[in-house]
Parts: sequence; structure tokens; C-alpha cells
Amino acid sequence: GQNIDQPTEMTATEGAIVQINCTYQTSGFNGLFWYQQHAGEAPTFLSYNVLDGLEEKGRFSSFLSRSKGYSYLLLKELQMKDSASYLCAVRGSGGYNKLIFGAGTRLAVHP
Amino acid sequence: GAGVSQSPSNKVTEKGKDVELRCDPISGHTALYWYRQRLGQGLEFLIYFQGNSAPDKSGLPSDRFSAERTGESVSTLTIQRTQQEDSAVYLCASSLQTGGDSPLHFGNGTRLTVT
Repeated sequence: GQNIDQPTEMTATEGAIVQINCTYQTSGFNGLFWYQQHAGEAPTFLSYNVLDGLEEKGRFSSFLSRSKGYSYLLLKELQMKDSASYLCAVRGSGGYNKLIFGAGTRLAVHP
Repeated sequence: GAGVSQSPSNKVTEKGKDVELRCDPISGHTALYWYRQRLGQGLEFLIYFQGNSAPDKSGLPSDRFSAERTGESVSTLTIQRTQQEDSAVYLCASSLQTGGDSPLHFGNGTRLTVT
């Protein structure tokens, strides 16, 4: 089966750094995605990892450890507009290459 | 169009009626997904079309749910004999390829309310 776990909610202060963790167990592995979803809107793509290590994109970075089935999304210099849900999604391999999402982490950024 | 288009954006129906939801993917995208998102929850996988291969229907919750796709274009999700628990936002997404680093591009969803 496939299982993806993320914390349900997190809070952080404007200007700070926050790390959102994701652990997964899937049938094969062909990449991990992070999406951002503001309330009432569609999810938008943030990052993709398939090899171990850190991928940096401006204020956002994503890390992957395939051996541990673990990823995190790091958000730096938090802004109020970063308040949203962050969804971890994993693509399996072979006949399981559909993209499965975790339940998402709701991040609230306070002044 | 430039993005994934879904219609209708909102649908209110009475329990027991059938509904049909439409998705127009980005032109040239071979993969198309349907997800369901209940209020405050994550995305629940429903069905996945990949090019001309047989669709992966493993996420459909019951035989009241079905979906079709014409070639690599429009898809329709049909829910028969709707129940109140079917109330949710139904999201469609497409991607250029069926694997690798191709991200999914989402439509704005259809908000279904069953009364």
C-alpha cells in the first residue's frame, strides 16, 4: 500500500523559518512533489525531488532521503501570504506511478 | 486555453440525482487525474488516465462513480445516485508526461453540494 504522513497544523512567525516534514511508504518511488494550496484555491506546484539531497528555489527548499522515506519543505523569511496548506505527494513506479497526496499541513503565519 | 478548465464551477444537486463533471486538460498533456477534496482535508485519488493505456480506477469509492476520457482531451466524471457524502470539491489535473518530474497542473475544481 501507500502511506504519506505530514503534521496536520503548524504555526510560525513572520520572518522566521519553518520546516514541514513528510514521511512516506509507497510501492516503488519515482519522485516526490510539494504543492501549496491557499484556502479555496487549486494546488500549485512548488518543488520536485527524485534524488537524495536539497533542492533550493528562492525562499523555498525541499530535501529528500530515499533510504529513510523522508522529505521536508523549508520555508525561509516567512511572509503572511505563506499561510496555506502544504501538500506532500509521491509518485510510485511501474503500475503504481499515479501521484498520491498526503493530507496536507496547514501553516498559519502570524505577525 | 492556457490552463486546466473545469465545469461547472459549482453544482448543487438533490440526493439521488446523477451529476456529470467536465475537465478540459492542457493541450498535449497525456496524463489526467481526478481527485476529491472534502472540506479541510487532503486530496483523495479517484482515477488516472495515462495516454491510451487502461485507466487506473483504483481510487473510485463505489460503482456509482465512473469516468471517461476521449483520447488525450476532455474527461467527464459521472456520479450516479448522489449521496450527501459525495459533497466535496472535485479537482482535475493534467501533466505533460505520465511519470518523472512532470508536475500536475490543477483546475479550479467543481464544488459539489448534495442536499
